[in-house]
Amino acid sequence: KQEVTQIPAALSVPEGENLVLNCSFTDSAIYNLQWFRQDPGKGLTSLLLIQSSQREQTSGRLNASLDKSSGRSTLYIAASQPGDSATYLCAVGSKAAGNKLTFGGGTRVLVKP
Amino acid sequence: DVKVTQSSRYLVKRTGEKVFLECVQDMDHENMFWYRQDPGLGLRLIYFSYDVKMKEKGDIPEGYSVSREKKERFSLILESASTNQTSMYLCASSLRQGPLLYGYTFGSGTRLTVV
Repeated sequence: KQEVTQIPAALSVPEGENLVLNCSFTDSAIYNLQWFRQDPGKGLTSLLLIQSSQREQTSGRLNASLDKSSGRSTLYIAASQPGDSATYLCAVGSKAAGNKLTFGGGTRVLVKP
Repeated sequence: DVKVTQSSRYLVKRTGEKVFLECVQDMDHENMFWYRQDPGLGLRLIYFSYDVKMKEKGDIPEGYSVSREKKERFSLILESASTNQTSMYLCASSLRQGPLLYGYTFGSGTRLTVV
């Protein structure tokens, strides 16, 4: 059974600092890993999708890495801004989960001005 | 801009009512999913569908049913709403091609309160 963990559950940083968000998963036989952002009371917005054959994906200030062998992904957000305050969730697609996504519990981020 | 649309952002229903939550996607996706999200419990899969007329139970299907009469529409039905079904409900869709090659797209969510 695939399990996805995100630690810490909450994080507070001053504006301008780089953010590092962690995601770990138990079954390394994954198809892909997807990072989402969720604002309070809203749906999930896809940020980055990494296929199992890739090591990283980049979009603007966001960079996500994937290390399947160690069961880890890291989302880097450079030069954080107050508008980056949100909950970030990672989700893993794997055969162990019947080809569906397994979600982590999320990391709630607060960027202080 | 492709999207998944959930018909209501907020709903308030009474205990015992039959409740319909609607989800429509315009991306010609085969797969559609219904989740609920609760503090401390994360996202839990209620039902999913890989094609028209098809449905599969997720992790917490009790008290719910679904309908998929057309490819673009996936409805979640609360047969007799109860207060423990107060939650945020999220719909998602994905392509079937290959195992999850393109990830999921989510709707904006429906906050349901049962009183």
